[in-house]
Amino acid sequence: DIQMTQSPSTLSASVGDRVTITCRASQSISSWLAWYQQKPGKAPKLLIYKASSLESGVPSRFSGSGSGTEFTLTISSLQPDDFATYYCQQYNSYPFFGGGTKVEIK
Amino acid sequence: QVQLQESGPGLVKPSETLSLTCAVSGYSISSGYYWGWIRQPPGKGLEWIGSIYHSGSTYYNPSLKSRVTISVDTSKNQFSLKLSSVTAADTAVYYCARLLIVVVPAATVPVGTFDYWGQGTLVTVSS
Repeated sequence: DIQMTQSPSTLSASVGDRVTITCRASQSISSWLAWYQQKPGKAPKLLIYKASSLESGVPSRFSGSGSGTEFTLTISSLQPDDFATYYCQQYNSYPFFGGGTKVEIK
Repeated sequence: QVQLQESGPGLVKPSETLSLTCAVSGYSISSGYYWGWIRQPPGKGLEWIGSIYHSGSTYYNPSLKSRVTISVDTSKNQFSLKLSSVTAADTAVYYCARLLIVVVPAATVPVGTFDYWGQGTLVTVSS
């Protein structure tokens, strides 16, 4: 099975900061990677698909990049609404998720 | 607007079978798409359980396959999850979601992204 590893597990940042989260796959998944945002007590929300395509309605401060085994989610200027946990999900083989990265207030 | 709503017992005894239903509104399951179950233990990450097509074709996470059954009732526009022989490790919030699939040569099951989710329901396994 393909393992998905996110780093860091927790990230402390301030409003306005540029934030980058990394997701690594144990083997190549081409560009078959999605990113989700989850707030406490809520279902995940799809942000990015196919590594870099922005889901409709998602603010342009979110962007994704990468291919093969290394991917990043970048928030260009962190907003109060962005404090949440972020998950990557590969869909090259099975729809498996990474362990999550919590973005908390610094 | 597609909406999904999970329902079922919030407490299940160890060794028994967990049963949940996901009611879909705003879209007819018979029209297409795959539908899935995902769970999240308290304070932990997300785990795909399995997916189903309106035809009844099912695909399961290999780690849970021996205990999982997913079925669909197109007349009620809903699909269901059964997880047998539960233990405390099965305590989690269970989500149903719509799976927007893509054609991926390496995939052995239908894969894609989950674009619509239910609100989730907490199921606790305890005596």
